[in-house]
Amino acid sequence: DTAVSQTPKYLVTQMGNDKSIKCEQNLGHDTMYWYKQDSKKFLKIMFSYNNKELIINETVPNRFSPKSPDKAHLNLHINSLELGDSAVYFCASSQDLGGRGYGYTFGSGTRLTVV
Amino acid sequence: AQKVTQAQTEISVVEKEDVTLDCVYETRDTTYYLFWYKQPPSGELVFLIRRNSFDEQNEISGRYSWNFQKSTSSFNFTITASQVVDSAVYFCALSEGAQKLVFGQGTRLTINP
Repeated sequence: DTAVSQTPKYLVTQMGNDKSIKCEQNLGHDTMYWYKQDSKKFLKIMFSYNNKELIINETVPNRFSPKSPDKAHLNLHINSLELGDSAVYFCASSQDLGGRGYGYTFGSGTRLTVV
Repeated sequence: AQKVTQAQTEISVVEKEDVTLDCVYETRDTTYYLFWYKQPPSGELVFLIRRNSFDEQNEISGRYSWNFQKSTSSFNFTITASQVVDSAVYFCALSEGAQKLVFGQGTRLTINP
């Protein structure tokens, strides 16, 4: 059983399209996150949710909208995709805010390519 | 603001050599957590270690060891007798009360046979 699963693993789409990436964790964690890894491998947080409540929104364009229907799911919807959105998006979860307890568990990533 | 610096962008060594990856951090908090993650060519992020700010003991796990020094704000990672399978990008990260993980720029380690 995968602890943090993301779908799809690869996503190729045209500019201007709208797409979603789904994330589910079966660890019973309270907090979930989205991180973006750019072409230079730099990892930066985008959002965090704790028990379905938005905690961090890290200066991400409004075209990105996270949705957490329950604490086991955190989906990422992106409107009007741009070339610069091409990146690898990682979902993660932690038992508590900030990963103080047992750290973070990451999904395997979704490679988004906008053409 | 918290910050993590991995000054070594790329390191290349020959198999069986020892190699140390440097990590320097900045934070105003007294309570914080430090992490190392490995990202192999397959792309996933693999957790290696978590260390809290109150525990300065060095840690050894097989060929891996970590040296945490609060006096110099460093959390360095050493691989002893490196192997080709150790080739990956390694990330140091800091988590504090800000409730997020802040990553360093990563160090690409290449182990040549």
